[in-house]
Amino acid sequence: SYVLTQPPSVSVAPGKTAGITCGGDNIGIKSVHWYQQKPGQAPVLVMYQDSDRPSGIPERFSGSNSGNTATLTISRVEVGDEADYFCQVWDDDSDHYVFGTGTEVTVL
Amino acid sequence: QVQLVQSGGGVVQPGRSLRLSCAASGFTFSTYAMHWVRQAPGKGLEWVAVILSDATNEFYADSVKGRFTISRDNSKNTLYLEVKSLTIEDTAVYYCARDGHGSNTGFDHWGQGTLVTVSS
Repeated sequence: SYVLTQPPSVSVAPGKTAGITCGGDNIGIKSVHWYQQKPGQAPVLVMYQDSDRPSGIPERFSGSNSGNTATLTISRVEVGDEADYFCQVWDDDSDHYVFGTGTEVTVL
Repeated sequence: QVQLVQSGGGVVQPGRSLRLSCAASGFTFSTYAMHWVRQAPGKGLEWVAVILSDATNEFYADSVKGRFTISRDNSKNTLYLEVKSLTIEDTAVYYCARDGHGSNTGFDHWGQGTLVTVSS
């Protein structure tokens, strides 16, 4: 089955830029979605189809996808961005959705 | 506004069954595919199942195939998940989620989640 690998944690200072990677075999040919999940809350879609932002998501969030890595970038990081972030793809071969392992973002 | 309100969780013994519900409002339920996603305590997200808007097809994660059944009643704007032969490993918060409009655009709205605890 298709596997998506994320770093367990990323630390960033307020006002700086955080990059969260999502590795998968030739992921560049797939559409990648990203979710933010704060403690005790349901996930929220923050990026879809690699680089499109849903309404209400700040422009500070951007996405890219190429080769074997997709990246969610958070610019001018705020304390409120502290959360777990999960990438997701649809795997055509198995007809399954797959989530990444998740990355905890800590704002120092 | 879009709302997905879940019910039906609780504590259940191993081997027993449970039905989870997800009542939708604020959008035309019958035109959207719907999903179930679960999250074991302290763990990541695991996609469980999807059902197409007209209920003509369903897909399941390998871990639940044959034990879980996703269904919907478009006349009641409600999504269901029948979970059978529960094991300790099925303990999780279960979320329903709406598929975004268009092809493969992510899950754009989620329910509040309902905890299923499998314990003897």
